Amino acid sequence: EVQLVESGGGLVQPGGSLRLSCAASGFTFSDYWMNWVRQAPGKGLEWVANIKKDGSEKYYVDSVKGRFTISRDDAQNSVYLQMNTLRVEDTAVYYCARDRVSSGWSMIFDYWGQGILVTVSS
Amino acid sequence: DIQMTQSPSALSASVGDRVAITCQASQDISNCLNWYQQKPGKAPRLLIYDASTLETGVPSRLSGSGSGTDFTLTISSLQPEDIATYFCQQYDSLPLTFGGGTKVEIK
Repeated sequence: EVQLVESGGGLVQPGGSLRLSCAASGFTFSDYWMNWVRQAPGKGLEWVANIKKDGSEKYYVDSVKGRFTISRDDAQNSVYLQMNTLRVEDTAVYYCARDRVSSGWSMIFDYWGQGILVTVSS
Repeated sequence: DIQMTQSPSALSASVGDRVAITCQASQDISNCLNWYQQKPGKAPRLLIYDASTLETGVPSRLSGSGSGTDFTLTISSLQPEDIATYFCQQYDSLPLTFGGGTKVEIK
């Protein structure tokens, strides 16, 4: 059974940093692109970043470029999101999501974690 | 960036009704369109990809259609378990973008 479990969320002050983790199981993690998607309270979904299966390519939404860094550790079956210089508008539930196609890039999210709340507030 | 506009933002229908949700892209995205369902407090669930392909395990009363800029998610006979918010998502180009969502309620 495919499982994605996020951790590392919490309350942080504006300008602070946080590192999210997503632990994967039930599939060959190293074969898949992985994504982070967020949802502000009561709002819609926003794709944040993704990373290629070998980590050689990474893409970000403009609003987080230069502040967030996505990475992965295939030995640990985990993907991470390092978030620096956090802003109030980064407050959201953050989901990690798997790309649907192994050994390819479909940009279709077939499995999602349960989400982790990040609150940026003074 | 490609803007995705969903309508309506909310709807109320009776059990057994046919329900249609539309999604319009700001430019031609071919068939690069997915639909997700999200229930309160839960993660989104993939329903349909490539505009019209049903994901495994999704009930056949759901269907997707469209290409280019105009897309539709149809529920042929609304059931109580379909109460949720539905989002479209384009993957024609980065950044990947979602529609604003359509909340479906039972009348």
